[in-house]
Amino acid sequence: EVQLVESGGGLVKPGGSLRLSCAASGFTFSSYSMNWVRQAPGKGLEWVSSISRSGNYIESADSVKGRFTFSRDNAKSSLYLQLNSLRAEDTAIYYCARYQEGYLDSWGQGTLVTVSS
Amino acid sequence: DIQMTQSPSSLSASVGDRVTITCRASQSISRYLNWYQQKPGKAPKLLIYDASTLQSGVPSRFSGSGSGTDFTLTIGSLQPEDFATYSCQQSYSIPFTFGPGTKVDIK
Repeated sequence: EVQLVESGGGLVKPGGSLRLSCAASGFTFSSYSMNWVRQAPGKGLEWVSSISRSGNYIESADSVKGRFTFSRDNAKSSLYLQLNSLRAEDTAIYYCARYQEGYLDSWGQGTLVTVSS
Repeated sequence: DIQMTQSPSSLSASVGDRVTITCRASQSISRYLNWYQQKPGKAPKLLIYDASTLQSGVPSRFSGSGSGTDFTLTIGSLQPEDFATYSCQQSYSIPFTFGPGTKVDIK
């Protein structure tokens, strides 16, 4: 069974940093691109980034470019999201999701990031 | 960026009703359109990909159609477990934008 488990969320002050992790199991992690998607409280889904199978090719939303960095460790079947220079509008549940040739077929349960002073 | 819109933003329906949700892209996306279902406090779940392909395990009362800029998600006979929010997403080009969602609740 495919499982994705995010961790690392929490309360952080504006301008602060946080590192999210996504632990994958139940599939060959290195064979799949992975995505991050976020959802602000009471709002719709927002695509954040896509990272290739090797981790060498990364795309991200303009709203996070230059502040968020994305990486993966295929040996550990893990995905990472480093959030820097956080703003109130970054408050959201962050989901990792497996990318399958054009769609996101498996999602984690999400981890909540709250940016507030 | 490709903008996605959905209509209606919400609807009330009864068990057994046929429900149709529309999604429109700001430019042609061929058939690179996916539908997700999300229940409160839960992660989204893939229902349909490539506009009309049913994801494994999804009941056949769900169907999708469309191409280009206009797409529809149809629930043939609404069941109690279908009350949720439905979102479309284009995967034609990055950023992979989502629609704002359509909330389906009980009439």
